[in-house]
Amino acid sequence: NAGVMQNPRHLVRRRGQEARLRCSPMKGHSHVYWYRQLPEEGLKFMVYLQKENIIDESGMPKERFSAEFPKEGPSILRIQQVVRGDSAAYFCASSPRAGYGYTFGSGTRLTVV
Amino acid sequence: SQQGEEDPQALSIQEGENATMNCSYKTSINNLQWYRQNSGRGLVHLILIRSNEREKHSGRLRVTLDTSKKSSSLLITASRAADTASYFCATDLGTSYDKVIFGPGTSLSVIP
Repeated sequence: NAGVMQNPRHLVRRRGQEARLRCSPMKGHSHVYWYRQLPEEGLKFMVYLQKENIIDESGMPKERFSAEFPKEGPSILRIQQVVRGDSAAYFCASSPRAGYGYTFGSGTRLTVV
Repeated sequence: SQQGEEDPQALSIQEGENATMNCSYKTSINNLQWYRQNSGRGLVHLILIRSNEREKHSGRLRVTLDTSKKSSSLLITASRAADTASYFCATDLGTSYDKVIFGPGTSLSVIP
């Protein structure tokens, strides 16, 4: 069991480009969560998805950010027209169902230059 | 405002001593979780304690939950240098689905 796989580990984008972050949950896990972490800070909730459904996106900025978890394939967090303030570590987690602990991936560190 | 907050923000102890971290939260919850994060790495799930439980153990870890005070504590006994990490509590909001909110964390340094 490979755990939660995130790629890429590091991503550098110029201002205005698009960033696509991928997350493959653990086998058997149908709940996926995305969090953002700034240096020396805790994790901020962004979005909670189940297969083909967005359950809660209350932590997502209204513009430029979107997420999906298709029937087949990984969950994708997409940031359009990136700005320097988007630089952060983005973590994905999965769980088999509500009320269980999360398994986290190693994160994608996005740097916008 | 934060759902959960850990206290203290930072803690430095000698190897072999016990480390206690506290977490306070605001709303009713279904469960509370503790996670560890080593520098630059992902989070590792330590313990989940449900709202009807008062205490839980896992190896050198002991977690207590007091729902009347909306607080929890994480005790690490006989600490080791390898326990150096940030520790986060995370709570749901008592709703039927389990989005969890993380506190800002306690940074623990264990000095050999």
